[in-house]
Amino acid sequence: EADIYQTPRYLVIGTGKKITLECSQTMGHDKMYWYQQDPGMELHLIHYSYGVNSTEKGDLSSESTVSRIRTEHFPLTLESARPSHTSQYLCASSELASNSPLHFGNGTRLTVT
Amino acid sequence: AQSVAQPEDQVNVAEGNPLTVKCTYSVSGNPYLFWYVQYPNRGLQFLLKYITGDNLVKGSYGFEAEFNKSQTSFHLKKPSALVSDSALYFCAVRDMNGGATNKLIFGTGTLLAVQP
Repeated sequence: EADIYQTPRYLVIGTGKKITLECSQTMGHDKMYWYQQDPGMELHLIHYSYGVNSTEKGDLSSESTVSRIRTEHFPLTLESARPSHTSQYLCASSELASNSPLHFGNGTRLTVT
Repeated sequence: AQSVAQPEDQVNVAEGNPLTVKCTYSVSGNPYLFWYVQYPNRGLQFLLKYITGDNLVKGSYGFEAEFNKSQTSFHLKKPSALVSDSALYFCAVRDMNGGATNKLIFGTGTLLAVQP
């Protein structure tokens, strides 16, 4: 039922590897977001975008980077993974209007060994 | 600064009983308020929102929420709980007078456990 897709669903990778988490949406939404969800289940905004070529850092300092070359695609990259990056990463999108709800993907659970 | 609080980490209720998941907020202007639900190993799903108008809003799966401006609350309710309602629930607020900083702020989540 999801119109926003995240791959992979699960990823186990060694320290120092470069990884890219993929996120795509088919709803034509301008806004896209990346959240990190910690084991206590709190959500932390790490990146967001208002549209193509727009990227902003969120509230939680993150060593990741994002790009927005196409409206539907908002990948997140970690240049050198560390065990502290182990977490659940959730991608979301919404229309530009402030009263629009967010639509979330099913997440990528990343484990860095 | 805007904030949202969910004072209960967990709520336990018996199937068939009414349930309430509490949320209070703090904004400098008018709030937009949202409830989301997260099932295990899934992303969040939108349940309902309050923007303006009637204080009682109805959403998916029989849930409703009441906006109370004087108490700055937006509690989620359901008249009769189902075991399948067991999940993590998030309240979120956006300050519509926050200008460029009107980000969506999520609460810390409340785990709802419905016993059969």
